[in-house]
Amino acid sequence: EPEVTQTPSHQVTQMGQEVILRCVPISNHLYFYWYRQILGQKVEFLVSFYNNEISEKSEIFDDQFSVERPDGSNFTLKIRSTKLEDSAMYFCASSETGLSEAFFGQGTRLTVV
Amino acid sequence: ELKVEQNPLFLSMQEGKNYTIYCNYSTTSDRLYWYRQDPGKSLESLFVLLSNGAVKQEGRLMASLDTKARLSTLHITAAVHDLSATYFCAVDRHSGNTPLVFGKGTRLSVIA
Repeated sequence: EPEVTQTPSHQVTQMGQEVILRCVPISNHLYFYWYRQILGQKVEFLVSFYNNEISEKSEIFDDQFSVERPDGSNFTLKIRSTKLEDSAMYFCASSETGLSEAFFGQGTRLTVV
Repeated sequence: ELKVEQNPLFLSMQEGKNYTIYCNYSTTSDRLYWYRQDPGKSLESLFVLLSNGAVKQEGRLMASLDTKARLSTLHITAAVHDLSATYFCAVDRHSGNTPLVFGKGTRLSVIA
């Protein structure tokens, strides 16, 4: 069964460092999303991406964040200068259309120390 | 702004008992989802509810949707320990390609 895959599963980084979280969406999906979940809290939307551009972003998605689809398969989230409060589980999701169900990856746990 | 409220946030129940988790949302929506999350794990899709009056059942879990009341329920029948997890409802806005807005989750603990 097709699935969204994320790498790495866990990343530890020092405050101020740049990190790139990677996602491989389901192959025929056209819409891509990043969500974040701080430990013990609810899942929050960061950004959606379609047709090689951001279609919507939340207040959390400030200038420190960027997304890219560098090739035909990967979808990445970059945090330029990590802060302690960026520590969270980051979920990638994809959907076939804007109206269809989004499928989530297994998440990347980011720990900023 | 779409808001999603779940209650209760914490639920401890005995094996064999029944209980209902509630999910209210603030504006019109096309779709409501229920997810299960085990500690440190991803979101497992349980149900997708697309229309008023929709009812779906899988094992001991049954979900329903009342779009007029903007309310969904997740009913647990004869709980077993394996159902212990956090359950989230999520709603998207009434248009295409919109992100999901999640509730805070209900942490369910089923005890013997």
